[in-house]
Amino acid sequence: GQQLNQSPQSMFIQEGEDVSMNCTSSSIFNTWLWYKQDPGEGPVLLIALYKAGELTSNGRLTAQFGITRKDSFLNISASIPSDVGIYFCAGLNNFNKFYFGSGTKLNVKP
Amino acid sequence: SAVISQKPSRDICQRGTSLTIQCQVDSQVTMMFWYRQQPGQSLTLIATANQGSEATYESGFVIDKFPISRPNLTFSTLTVSNMSPEDSSIYLCSVDTGNTIYFGEGSWLTVV
Repeated sequence: GQQLNQSPQSMFIQEGEDVSMNCTSSSIFNTWLWYKQDPGEGPVLLIALYKAGELTSNGRLTAQFGITRKDSFLNISASIPSDVGIYFCAGLNNFNKFYFGSGTKLNVKP
Repeated sequence: SAVISQKPSRDICQRGTSLTIQCQVDSQVTMMFWYRQQPGQSLTLIATANQGSEATYESGFVIDKFPISRPNLTFSTLTVSNMSPEDSSIYLCSVDTGNTIYFGEGSWLTVV
């Protein structure tokens, strides 16, 4: 099925650095969700966005619902080692179907 | 939000056997789904578990291989039948609470 274009695929950063990742699509979405997945675990919801232009924070995490409704980004500020994991975006379209990005693997060097 | 419990959390299975994964939700939900996530991959929807009727399978997944039960609005099972090494994956139960999806902790199956 359709997948969202998520980038970058992987990142290697130093502890303390800020991180940015994004998801784009050629289609409009009504909801954007961001998840973090640790190895062998299920994805955990980080942030949910329901309106175009919405900017929401969860601690050091900030996500925005793009004004065109075709994209979203997630920023992590002042990264720490426990931020390591795979981050997924998900979008809900007009047909109430969810699509997932391919994930961004984040590595943080202490 | 929804709290979703899955079991087993992980298992090592013999080729040719079948395993049933259980999913329990802490509240009644209409929409429950089963996903598969192969190593290093994103999430692939297997089927929608419908309460009181047969599950709706996505292309490439069939009932004989992945039978699903949904006896009520808080519980579902997924069986992986006649397993082969290609079935080694994380299997995830999820629920849609309206416009947000929540996932269980996953069941990590390794087929040997």
